Amino acid sequence: GIQVEQSPPDLILQEGANSTLRCNFSDSVNNLQWFHQNPWGQLINLFYIPSGTKQNGRLSATTVATERYSLLYISSSQTTDSGVYFCAVDWSGGKLIFGQGTELSVKP
Amino acid sequence: GAGVSQSPSNKVTEKGKDVELRCDPISGHTALYWYRQSLGQGLEFLIYFQGNSAPDKSGLPSDRFSAERTGGSVSTLTIQRTQQEDSAVYLCASSFGTWETQYFGPGTRLLVL
Repeated sequence: GIQVEQSPPDLILQEGANSTLRCNFSDSVNNLQWFHQNPWGQLINLFYIPSGTKQNGRLSATTVATERYSLLYISSSQTTDSGVYFCAVDWSGGKLIFGQGTELSVKP
Repeated sequence: GAGVSQSPSNKVTEKGKDVELRCDPISGHTALYWYRQSLGQGLEFLIYFQGNSAPDKSGLPSDRFSAERTGGSVSTLTIQRTQQEDSAVYLCASSFGTWETQYFGPGTRLLVL
């Protein structure tokens, strides 16, 4: 089956810093989503981005489908950005295959 | 409108007992998904419904696990004869259609003693 790898596994930032999270996948996909899992465990949709670039406030994402990777950019990080960021791909008929996540900690 | 809701939010049970977990999807969403999150396995797909039928049950870990969906809305995940390795957070998601954005509920935290 398809493999989804995220890097880095852990990241510690000072408030105000920028960061880039990466997601590599091993096969063509129909869909790619980025999620933020907050400290209470809720998975929050960030982007639905099978290709191209999208921006939402301080966050933006780019997926290069032909090269099988996606990037999530966080600018001017805030403590509320802390949590785990997941990339998930829809490879076959709607089921999402998740990466192992990047655990982000933003220090004040 | 309301998001995906799940109940109960927490469940503690004894090994060997049966449990039922409930998911209420976003109104109008035809696709519904169950996932499981555990420390050792990360987030893994269990089963997917389109309407009331389940085209993909490939993620169910054993025949102790079953799910149904009625009226194209509410879904129930049943685990029979629970084992300690079933302890996990069970997450439900829904989407307007297949290959659309999936929206997740808050999860049910299951602990099997």
